[in-house]
Amino acid sequence: TQLLEQSPQFLSIQEGENLTVYCNSSSVFSSLQWYRQEPGEGPVLLVTVVTGGEVKKLKRLTFQFGDARKDSSLHITAAQPGDTGLYLCAGEEGSTLGRLYFGRGTQLTVWP
Amino acid sequence: KAGVTQTPRYLIKTRGQQVTLSCSPISGHRSVSWYQQTPGQGLQFLFEYFSETQRNKGNFPGRFSGRQFSNSRSEMNVSTLELGDSALYLCASSHGTNPEAFFGQGTRLTVV
Repeated sequence: TQLLEQSPQFLSIQEGENLTVYCNSSSVFSSLQWYRQEPGEGPVLLVTVVTGGEVKKLKRLTFQFGDARKDSSLHITAAQPGDTGLYLCAGEEGSTLGRLYFGRGTQLTVWP
Repeated sequence: KAGVTQTPRYLIKTRGQQVTLSCSPISGHRSVSWYQQTPGQGLQFLFEYFSETQRNKGNFPGRFSGRQFSNSRSEMNVSTLELGDSALYLCASSHGTNPEAFFGQGTRLTVV
């Protein structure tokens, strides 16, 4: 059983479209992180959110942490082919510092 | 500032052999965690070391072990390799007191 559920699993869109990826759990997390991973490489940290209701922006990417700290979303505006990759959410529970629980990921493909 | 370095990048082993993977964390980071990534299971937590002590452990058999040295470098060992151990093994480095984790490029292990 996965502690964090990500949806959708796959997303294939045209350049210029907007998209949202969701990360949900029944558990409360002290922090939540989003990563992007390219084939054969390690995940690259995009953002960390720690406060319920927090919104962070990174250029065309907007990240939100749910008020109850059980869910998060990643919104990409005007997607570009360079956004293609596997997007992973990962949460840290307060009782297990140093361990991240990962979702299965959302494979995003942006076509030119 | 150098990132997380994992060696080797690729490894091919035969069933029954053992293997040792190495991870050098970012300078100043005291926590190193290890993850196994497969297409079917995603990223699964193996264990985490902080200041040479194992602080967290995932649900993997005893064939998987690790250690951390006084310079924070870490190694993981897998004994009696099985075909199902074929995976991308990732190590992540962090301060250990905040949730931001930075990953290496991984070691691709293939067991034949």
